[in-house]
Amino acid sequence: DTGVSQDPRHKITKRGQNVTFRCDPISEHNRLYWYRQTLGQGPEFLTYFQNEAQLEKSRLLSDRFSAERPKGSFSTLEIQRTEQGDSAMYLCASSFSDRGYYEQYFGPGTRLTVT
Amino acid sequence: AQKVTQAQTEISVVEKEDVTLDCVYETRDTTYYLFWYKQPPSGELVFLIRRNSFDEQNEISGRYSWNFQKSTSSFNFTITASQVVDSAVYFCALPAGGTSYGKLTFGQGTILTVHP
Repeated sequence: DTGVSQDPRHKITKRGQNVTFRCDPISEHNRLYWYRQTLGQGPEFLTYFQNEAQLEKSRLLSDRFSAERPKGSFSTLEIQRTEQGDSAMYLCASSFSDRGYYEQYFGPGTRLTVT
Repeated sequence: AQKVTQAQTEISVVEKEDVTLDCVYETRDTTYYLFWYKQPPSGELVFLIRRNSFDEQNEISGRYSWNFQKSTSSFNFTITASQVVDSAVYFCALPAGGTSYGKLTFGQGTILTVHP
């Protein structure tokens, strides 16, 4: 499978715990994006990387959220001290970037439930 | 700021009917791209089409067709002879311009249900 992969697919955690999600992009893609999707809504942008550089972070990304992309390959999204409002689907996408703009390909998502 | 509006929250049709999903957008960019994605019950967003604002020609791909009208800021999606497998949530999306070149702004989505 050469698509975007995410792990885990589902995560149930208690409020206050830390969680970490992983995303493996399509291998030749240098851009990686994180989005959050709640029920009945479209995905909302959280942050994105070009290679290992984090180029933009949304105001949605509070101090409890941190993302990394060491060596420009896979990425991790960590949420510290989870809250019930963090319950959502966390989507990762990747794209190629050159002088133009290319479509983003999405992974299957990680569904987080905070109890 | 970019904005995408999909006014139809839910559409229900019977198999073989044609259905059109509406998308209206707002952008200050003079050149831009528009996208449609499909999200089936499995949850994974599937890329359907990318359209450059320079190109206003309608595009057809099998049972799918897209009508882009820059004058009305609309990018509508038509499925001809719908099938049960078309049941999904469909999203229209617009990339941010300028330095925020990467992120996509999505509409709320339209839930399409095709009944046999």
